[in-house]
Amino acid sequence: KQEVTQIPAALSVPEGENLVLNCSFTDSAIYNLQWFRQDPGKGLTSLLLIQSSQREQTSGRLNASLDKSSGRSTLYIAASQPGDSATYLCAVTDQTGANNLFFGTGTRLTVIP
Amino acid sequence: DAGITQSPRYKITETGRQVTLMCHQTWSHSYMFWYRQDLGHGLRLIYYSAAADITDKGEVPDGYVVSRSKTENFPLTLESATRSQTSVYFCASSSLTYSNQPQHFGDGTRLSIL
Repeated sequence: KQEVTQIPAALSVPEGENLVLNCSFTDSAIYNLQWFRQDPGKGLTSLLLIQSSQREQTSGRLNASLDKSSGRSTLYIAASQPGDSATYLCAVTDQTGANNLFFGTGTRLTVIP
Repeated sequence: DAGITQSPRYKITETGRQVTLMCHQTWSHSYMFWYRQDLGHGLRLIYYSAAADITDKGEVPDGYVVSRSKTENFPLTLESATRSQTSVYFCASSSLTYSNQPQHFGDGTRLSIL
């Protein structure tokens, strides 16, 4: 069974700092990997989706990389802002079932003004 | 407004009761999903549906029933609620599978079973 781990569980940084969130998965036979943002009391918002054949995806200040062979992904956030404070979740879709999204438990980010 | 809506947002019930959580999407997405989110476990897939009248089990289906008579609705029923089913439940939808399209999530239903 696919296991997804996110480290650290929580992170606090001062505003303006660049930061990296980590995600690892045990089975490299994935179809794609997604990064989501979750605000308190809200659902998940998709940030970036990387197909298994891709190495990275960028959207604004966010850059996600994927190293499928080592089972790792990183989410890089540039010039962090207080509005970036949220929980960030990564999830992988494996190749055994098109609809099986396996989630990590998330990293709770706090950006201090 | 277009989107995916869940109701109720909050629900308290007692063990042994039947409770139904509703999910409605306006995108005409083929796929719909139910997840539960618990501390220490992240989100886990309960059931999913590829189209009207087609449903399949996910990782944690025991104790739950789903139906999909219309494309836009995907209700989740707990036939006899247990305390272990206290959780936050999320519904999601997507247009295709094996594609670049991410899943879109509702705001969740926080369910407490006493």
